[in-house]
Amino acid sequence: QSVLTQPPSASGTPGQRVTISCSGSSSNIGSNFVYWYQQLPGTAPKLLIFRNNQRPSGVPDRFSGSKSGTSASLAISGLRSEEEANYYCAAWDDSLGGWVFGGGTKLTVL
Amino acid sequence: EVQLEESGGGWVQPGRSLRLSCAASGFTFDDYAMHWVRQAPGKGLEWVSGITWDGDDRGYADSVRGRFIISRDNAKNSLHLQMNSLRAEDTALYYCAKGESSGYYSWPDTWGQGTLVTVSS
Repeated sequence: QSVLTQPPSASGTPGQRVTISCSGSSSNIGSNFVYWYQQLPGTAPKLLIFRNNQRPSGVPDRFSGSKSGTSASLAISGLRSEEEANYYCAAWDDSLGGWVFGGGTKLTVL
Repeated sequence: EVQLEESGGGWVQPGRSLRLSCAASGFTFDDYAMHWVRQAPGKGLEWVSGITWDGDDRGYADSVRGRFIISRDNAKNSLHLQMNSLRAEDTALYYCAKGESSGYYSWPDTWGQGTLVTVSS
């Protein structure tokens, strides 16, 4: 099992807004920033959100992140078919002294 | 443009060793921490190890501590992962990733395409 908990799947129709949750504990999300990665089929992960809600250059503002306590979420508005991918949350874990990931959420665009 | 190219993967029997390498370009290698992250077939991401910019501090996941050794050669812009006592559960695509800053507590911000390691008899 992954240290961070994500729903295994999510879905939406084009143009819709979807959210993906990520739950952790006081040693990771509760005391550190959250990061989100997008992994398109057959490709390497790509950084989508850093420090809870910051977007690297080139990431559309349709992607947004938030954090509250020991949980975080990724929201995608104006969903597009090409955003069908796996999404992973990540955080530094103070107790483990390393990075932990969620199990990933497979987003299907219907 | 940051480029990371992994090599050294392949098929290996349980109990044997393998050494992965990652050639970096497009950035000042010795300014940044580096990471190895793996992904078992059809599974999620698992952080394996990280190393500070100068190689003085290293971290490992519990699943590999004592068996894997991360190292770097700043003169050659290269990162390595020595994997010993390999197990079937080490079978995965191994990604090299650049840290955002000098410590391995900095998040992986750019990833290579990965090299596949298969451990099987």
